[in-house]
Amino acid sequence: DADVTQTPRNRITKTGKRIMLECSQTKGHDRMYWYRQDPGLGLRLIYYSFDVKDINKGEISDGYSVSRQAQAKFSLSLESAIPNQTALYFCATSGLAGSSGTGELFFGEGSRLTVL
Amino acid sequence: AQKVTQAQTEISVVEKEDVTLDCVYETRDTTYYLFWYKQPPSGELVFLIRRNSFDEQNEISGRYSWNFQKSTSSFNFTITASQVVDSAVYFCAFWGYQKVTFGTGTKLQVIP
Repeated sequence: DADVTQTPRNRITKTGKRIMLECSQTKGHDRMYWYRQDPGLGLRLIYYSFDVKDINKGEISDGYSVSRQAQAKFSLSLESAIPNQTALYFCATSGLAGSSGTGELFFGEGSRLTVL
Repeated sequence: AQKVTQAQTEISVVEKEDVTLDCVYETRDTTYYLFWYKQPPSGELVFLIRRNSFDEQNEISGRYSWNFQKSTSSFNFTITASQVVDSAVYFCAFWGYQKVTFGTGTKLQVIP
């Protein structure tokens, strides 16, 4: 089983619908992230959370919200989906590395969302 | 603010050629980490390497090597004797304060 699991893997929806992307991890990491990938734009950070009580906006948080239900679960919601939110979404986790407190990101397999 | 620039959008090479992927970063932080990730056509993101700002030693792993130069704020990635399986999008990333910032990626196509 994957360490970081995203559901659904693919979703087609219509403009105005509410969508939730879920992420769960078995790595025991405190830090979780949601990224969005668009062709030519790389990965852009939507939201991140360093523990259950900590939620932070990334560079493109408008139109999105998140919920950290438990250490292992971090959900991304689109309250009213619009076509320019069509993208590949990645959840990631990270642990600690040395005194600087960071390690590499471990990614889920991605959730491809299409908004018509 | 931190920034990562991968100026090469797409590169095509013939199999067995060497290829270097460039990564330049901007930061005022003195402590940071740099990463490279690979995204093959199947879409998953695969971690390749992490380097911290205090370690400028070059690293070699098989056909892969990385050159980190703080003086030029660069962290370049070289694939020696490229193979078709190296075809992928490669992302350089930077961790400065709390979060990881990615470059826009370089798509590498290795032609048989």
